[in-house]
Amino acid sequence: GDSVTQMEGPVTLSEEAFLTINCTYTATGYPSLFWYVQYPGEGLQLLLKATKADDKGSNKGFEATYRKETTSFHLEKGSVQVSDSAVYFCALSSGGGTSYGKLTFGQGTILTVHP
Amino acid sequence: NAGVMQNPRHLVRRRGQEARLRCSPMKGHSHVYWYRQLPEEGLKFMVYLQKENIIDESGMPKERFSAEFPKEGPSILRIQQVVRGDSAAYFCAVRRADTQYFGPGTRLTVL
Repeated sequence: GDSVTQMEGPVTLSEEAFLTINCTYTATGYPSLFWYVQYPGEGLQLLLKATKADDKGSNKGFEATYRKETTSFHLEKGSVQVSDSAVYFCALSSGGGTSYGKLTFGQGTILTVHP
Repeated sequence: NAGVMQNPRHLVRRRGQEARLRCSPMKGHSHVYWYRQLPEEGLKFMVYLQKENIIDESGMPKERFSAEFPKEGPSILRIQQVVRGDSAAYFCAVRRADTQYFGPGTRLTVL
């Protein structure tokens, strides 16, 4: 079945540091890939997505590239801010059949950014 | 929250009681997904519904849990005879094109 593996957390950084959160996946076919962010006590917000190989998703300074050869979708940001402190989830969606659109999530990575 | 309301936001139940969680998508959304987030874990798919139909319930526990999405009104996730292990955050999501947009969730605490 489908699965998503994220790097172990938590991740603690100083403001303006470079961020990488690794994400690899296993899926049949050609899934769409997503990063969601969850702030304390809130629901998940879509951060960015990519729907086919070599696509790059980007939003609010975050980027991730869909790498089919390495089955990866690593999240990066060049300079983090305190306001980026949250939990980040990598997810995939496999199309087709009755499960169309069902999301499979990684375990989440807690990011804390200090001033 | 992309037009997805959930209520209540917080729900406290004692063991053995019933919990009803509601998800109200904006008009025009006919696909609803429910996910459960156990403490310090990722989200796990529970069920996928279209109006009046359950399409995929492969993630639903076999007993005590049920879901519906009637022609009129919100989608309901019902948990009968709750146990402490049911304490979690429950999220519903709607789908637009190939992307799901989540509601704010209901945090269920079982005493």
